[in-house]
Amino acid sequence: EADIYQTPRYLVIGTGKKITLECSQTMGHDKMYWYQQDPGMELHLIHYSYGVNSTEKGDLSSESTVSRIRTEHFPLTLESARPSHTSQYLCASEVPGNTEAFFGQGTRLTVV
Amino acid sequence: GENVEQHPSTLSVQEGDSAVIKCTYSDSASNYFPWYKQELGKRPQLIIDIRSNVGEKKDQRIAVTLNKTAKHFSLHITETQPEDSAVYFCAASIGSNYKLTFGKGTLLTVNP
Repeated sequence: EADIYQTPRYLVIGTGKKITLECSQTMGHDKMYWYQQDPGMELHLIHYSYGVNSTEKGDLSSESTVSRIRTEHFPLTLESARPSHTSQYLCASEVPGNTEAFFGQGTRLTVV
Repeated sequence: GENVEQHPSTLSVQEGDSAVIKCTYSDSASNYFPWYKQELGKRPQLIIDIRSNVGEKKDQRIAVTLNKTAKHFSLHITETQPEDSAVYFCAASIGSNYKLTFGKGTLLTVNP
């Protein structure tokens, strides 16, 4: 079934650890996004990509990096996790041409 | 870049009443305006969208209006029901090769 998948759904890690949040979509979408969403609900854009080998930083500097080696895969890496990174992370993908953006179910990260 | 402002941040209505959420955008080149609904614990999902060549669009109890001159667009929900309770996000896009920019969200509560 065509969808966008995020793993893990929940993650608790210690400060200083390196982690990678996975995002994969089976719809062949070129545009992909990573958002950080706090309980205050606002969607903060962290990174986005227009296609393979294309990545841009968003409005929120989250000390993270992304890669886009394959169209379907857009992983987000935190080199050194901090308690301030505790949040929900949402991945989304979109077909170019201003159409619907599809969101994954999110990864809820807790850094202790 | 594009900036989208959304008001109000919270809205409480009685069941059966109407609800209106308003957004303004900064870039007159924006031509695509979607609205997303995020229920508690779930991912945002598209509920309606409008393009710049249309002034109004309806889908059952929800409608969106666009005023290009004033650079604002609104979501109207009529005959609200408790299941309409959610966070609603507006967004704007300049074109197919640009990122989607979201407003900060509106928490709508429909009281039975």
